[in-house]
Amino acid sequence: AQSVTQLDSQVPVFEEAPVELRCNYSSSVSVYLFWYVQYPNQGLQLLLKYLSGSTLVKGINGFEAEFNKSQTSFHLRKPSVHISDTAEYFCAVNTLQGAQKLVFGQGTRLTINP
Amino acid sequence: EAGVAQSPRYKIIEKRQSVAFWCNPISGHATLYWYQQILGQGPKLLIQFQNNGVVDDSQLPKDRFSAERLKGVDSTLKIQPAKLEDSAVYLCASSPRGSGGWETQYFGPGTRLLVL
Repeated sequence: AQSVTQLDSQVPVFEEAPVELRCNYSSSVSVYLFWYVQYPNQGLQLLLKYLSGSTLVKGINGFEAEFNKSQTSFHLRKPSVHISDTAEYFCAVNTLQGAQKLVFGQGTRLTINP
Repeated sequence: EAGVAQSPRYKIIEKRQSVAFWCNPISGHATLYWYQQILGQGPKLLIQFQNNGVVDDSQLPKDRFSAERLKGVDSTLKIQPAKLEDSAVYLCASSPRGSGGWETQYFGPGTRLLVL
């Protein structure tokens, strides 16, 4: 079965600073990878996903992520954050074969300080 | 396009009581999911429906939880009787087909349950 580890439960950064949220996954088969964002009192919204092809994936709101198969990682980055990026970010994995189930990490709370 | 609708948004009950949550997916979406999100954790899949058939309910505590999706559209998740550890946000999501792991899932705002 697949699993996801988000290495930081909380990440505080200053406004306009760059940020990286780390995600590692484990799976015995090929995977699809996702980042979802959850704003306060809202449901989850897709930021970006990796299905195949280019390992650098661009998403909404200026976020991007890089798939690294050898390191089984899918880190999320943004070069300059805004107050509005304050939210919980979830990395998730699904598989190409077998029991296809979206499995989430425990989340990273991103706090932007002015 | 209307999103996934859920009600109620908040519910407080005492242990051993029963509770039900309702979800209306995006129109035309074949697959519907119920997730449980405990504070400080990521969402965990409870049950997945494709049209009105169950695809996966391996993580549903069947002694107390039940779910149905009548006519392949909206769905109800019930807990009877509730335990303290059922306090969580219950998220409903839908996707167009659900037959491939690449599909984006669209989430509702969730129902926050507190069991006292």
